[in-house]
Amino acid sequence: QVQLQESGPRLVKPSETLSLTCTVSGGSISSSSWSWIRQPPEKGLEWIGYIYYTGTTNYNPSLKSRVTMSLDTSKNQFSLKLSSVTAADTAVYYCARDTRGYNSFDIWGQGTMVTVSS
Amino acid sequence: QSVLTQPPSVSGAPGQRVTISCTGSSSNIGAGHDVHWYQQLPGTAPKLLIYGNTNRPSGVPDRFSASKSGTSASLVISGLQAEDEADYYCQSYDSGSRIFGGGTKLTVL
Repeated sequence: QVQLQESGPRLVKPSETLSLTCTVSGGSISSSSWSWIRQPPEKGLEWIGYIYYTGTTNYNPSLKSRVTMSLDTSKNQFSLKLSSVTAADTAVYYCARDTRGYNSFDIWGQGTMVTVSS
Repeated sequence: QSVLTQPPSVSGAPGQRVTISCTGSSSNIGAGHDVHWYQQLPGTAPKLLIYGNTNRPSGVPDRFSASKSGTSASLVISGLQAEDEADYYCQSYDSGSRIFGGGTKLTVL
């Protein structure tokens, strides 16, 4: 079955860019849309945005000015870049597959904790 | 402050039935957007429990059910079990963004 795995630096300095990659296994990235969601420590979930397999993107308006998503179909991966990070961006970052035909997320990665600190 | 409002906590004894509410507004649930529900066990990623207001993914027990009416939605867990102790989140859509409720912690007494 389809599995997702996040990877990237666990520690990012303030004002720098957070970069994460999600590797899709057990299925093709070219068959759905893919999202990033984050969860600050002891807090709730926040959708960051999605990228469709065609490359079309849609970002959360509250983060839009700092977010860039891309995908690499040859590697079956999609990526997140979040610029100008602050301590408020410290969170567990999840990649997820969008449910076909719905705005929900039916498969999630295990998540990766990213800390913003100098 | 989440756009979708959930009670911070609910509790119930094994075998009982509990309901978790999710209250939105005319710009999200009331506008006809679907509501979805997730279960997050401690230290793990969220798991899709209900999608499209009432649909259970394969493998989710029929003890979990949900409904939607007006600007609100509800998740019902029947025959409560110890392993149901988790955080539960509702999710919908509003103004170009997918939005989550603040989450409800379910304690099994």
